[in-house]
Amino acid sequence: QLQLQESGPGLVKPSETLSLTCTVSGGSISSSSYYWGWIRQPPGKGLEWIGSIYYSGSTYYNPSLKSRVTISVDTSKNQFSLKLSSVTAADTAVYYCARVSVDTAMDYWGQGTLVTVSS
Amino acid sequence: IQLTQSPSFLSASVGDRVTITCRASQGISSYLAWYQQKPGKAPKLLIYAASTLQSGVPSRFSGSGSGTEFTLTISSLQPEDFATYYCQQLNSYPCSFGQGTKLEIK
Repeated sequence: QLQLQESGPGLVKPSETLSLTCTVSGGSISSSSYYWGWIRQPPGKGLEWIGSIYYSGSTYYNPSLKSRVTISVDTSKNQFSLKLSSVTAADTAVYYCARVSVDTAMDYWGQGTLVTVSS
Repeated sequence: IQLTQSPSFLSASVGDRVTITCRASQGISSYLAWYQQKPGKAPKLLIYAASTLQSGVPSRFSGSGSGTEFTLTISSLQPEDFATYYCQQLNSYPCSFGQGTKLEIK
């Protein structure tokens, strides 16, 4: 059974960089059938797609965040990561990682991790 | 591409048939998915390609539509169906979500 698990600091100071890692178990991140994505959800609000990455390293970012986002993949560790720079309180959210099937949609999700931006 | 769901809130009873609509600002063929999210949990994929039921999802859920208008129908509401539902388009980047429809118990 495929599992995804987010990890990283739960508290980040304003203007600093948020860094999260998603560890994939029960399957290979190097499969050609899938992308791997990050999605966030501010408290009490809806879902926002942040970006996606293919195992080869090809990336796709939300234009609204593109100048601050970097997504990378480490196939040797079966992990992919998110960095969001110059954070503000508006970046406080639950951050999810997910598998994106090229044929279906986001079919497996991590449990999510709350990141709070505060001094 | 903007997705607009209607209604944003829906109150219904167990056994009711309910329909949620998702309208896209431009054509997205059938590249639409529906998710269910319960409080404190990650979204769960219900339907992809507009009308294909994800494995393990009860058959009371169904989806239809193509182009710019899509619907999610629950044929007979069960207590565990009260949740928030989101549509998502995967036709082009950025793959946007609708604003959500909260389904509450009447």
